[in-house]
Amino acid sequence: ETGVTQSPTHLIKTRGQQVTLRCSSQSGHNTVSWYQQALGQGPQFIFQYYREEENGRGNFPPRFSGLQFPNYSSELNVNALELDDSALYLCASSFRQGGGSNYGYTFGSGTRLTVV
Amino acid sequence: KNQVEQSPQSLIILEGKNCTLQCNYTVSPFSNLRWYKQDTGRGPVSLTIMTFSENTKSNGRYTATLDADTKQSSLHITASQLSDSASYICVVSEAGNNRKLIWGLGTSLAVNP
Repeated sequence: ETGVTQSPTHLIKTRGQQVTLRCSSQSGHNTVSWYQQALGQGPQFIFQYYREEENGRGNFPPRFSGLQFPNYSSELNVNALELDDSALYLCASSFRQGGGSNYGYTFGSGTRLTVV
Repeated sequence: KNQVEQSPQSLIILEGKNCTLQCNYTVSPFSNLRWYKQDTGRGPVSLTIMTFSENTKSNGRYTATLDADTKQSSLHITASQLSDSASYICVVSEAGNNRKLIWGLGTSLAVNP
């Protein structure tokens, strides 16, 4: 069992709609990273949250946004959904100490988003 | 450009056999290298993580090697089981910026009875 829980597990949305995906981090972790994984591809880094602030972002447009809550859980919001947004969205929690690096990446099982 | 390349792309072996998966990277500066196992539709599960000074690390039937000079790593699976069927992904972290993980495309392993 990974300790990182994502919800929902599957989701079908219509193009143009908005979606919110949720992630609870593993106990003791304070950082959450979100990834988009298209079929047959490796995960692409979307962004990372540390201390409730965005702390790094990949090459994704502003319609991809997120939140981190005081309990370190996180949300990924995607507005104006496009067909190409169909993918597995993975959340990974880790621990970051001060200005140091992250370690202990633990992934959730992902949310499978289908945009039709 | 920092890249991680894995081979073979796919592999089919019989249950009980051994296999070795390869990972070559050009990431610099290098921090660490991780091997993940990912079942279809599930999140990746960490198998091993190695830093620059580590040459070999084992996790049960999984043994990873790292040659930081040639920038190559391998994952050896011993006495394969049907449950080993999955994608195996090599991930390399840049030094000083561990939030950036560079992922290989993975090797798809099928273990047949």
